[in-house]
Amino acid sequence: GAVVSQHPSRVICKSGTSVKIECRSLDFQATTMFWYRQFPKKSLMLMATSNEGSKATYEQGVEKDKFLINHASLTLSTLTVTSAHPEDSSFYICSAAGLAGVGYEQYFGPGTRLTVT
Amino acid sequence: QKEVEQDPGPLSVPEGAIVSLNCTYSNSAFQYFMWYRQYSRKGPELLMYTYSSGNKEDGRFTAQVDKSSKYISLFIRDSQPSDSATYLCACQESNYQLIWGAGTKLIIKP
Repeated sequence: GAVVSQHPSRVICKSGTSVKIECRSLDFQATTMFWYRQFPKKSLMLMATSNEGSKATYEQGVEKDKFLINHASLTLSTLTVTSAHPEDSSFYICSAAGLAGVGYEQYFGPGTRLTVT
Repeated sequence: QKEVEQDPGPLSVPEGAIVSLNCTYSNSAFQYFMWYRQYSRKGPELLMYTYSSGNKEDGRFTAQVDKSSKYISLFIRDSQPSDSATYLCACQESNYQLIWGAGTKLIIKP
């Protein structure tokens, strides 16, 4: 299957600072990327959908000014958590779907564990 | 009512047993059905991908979709301790967005 990477895998930051998480599709062009967050022992919650070169579409209840998404190229999307607070601590996972014969399948990154102190 | 229902478990079975994992869904427009496996603190890994009704087999894994009853299943034969993980079902219309089940935690006891 296609490979999606995320960086960093783990980050600890102080309350009030901003954190950027990168999501890269390594061997295919991802026209669409998704950002999820997952709380312990819970399923994935879709935060936003981003298409290359377009503004992201956010799910209801997700603050677009707090969770900035940029999908500047077919292989890279970034999620920036601005002015992070302890309640933003979570596991953030991206997925990518797109061309190169992958059809409608989504491939997930390994996730980024964010801890805000 | 959630669009995709899945029993969170945990489901505990002895090594070598056949495991049956299931989901039900309510949206008749779903066309694509997936099963993902997620180990603790890792991203989900796509296991099986099925379009419309029918069976699909891959090694020890078999996915079944019954659109008439809106029921999807994943069977694992000869289960191994390494199969212990959370299994998530997901359904999809014609776009990319996935609708997830809650995930079932599976424990295979040696």
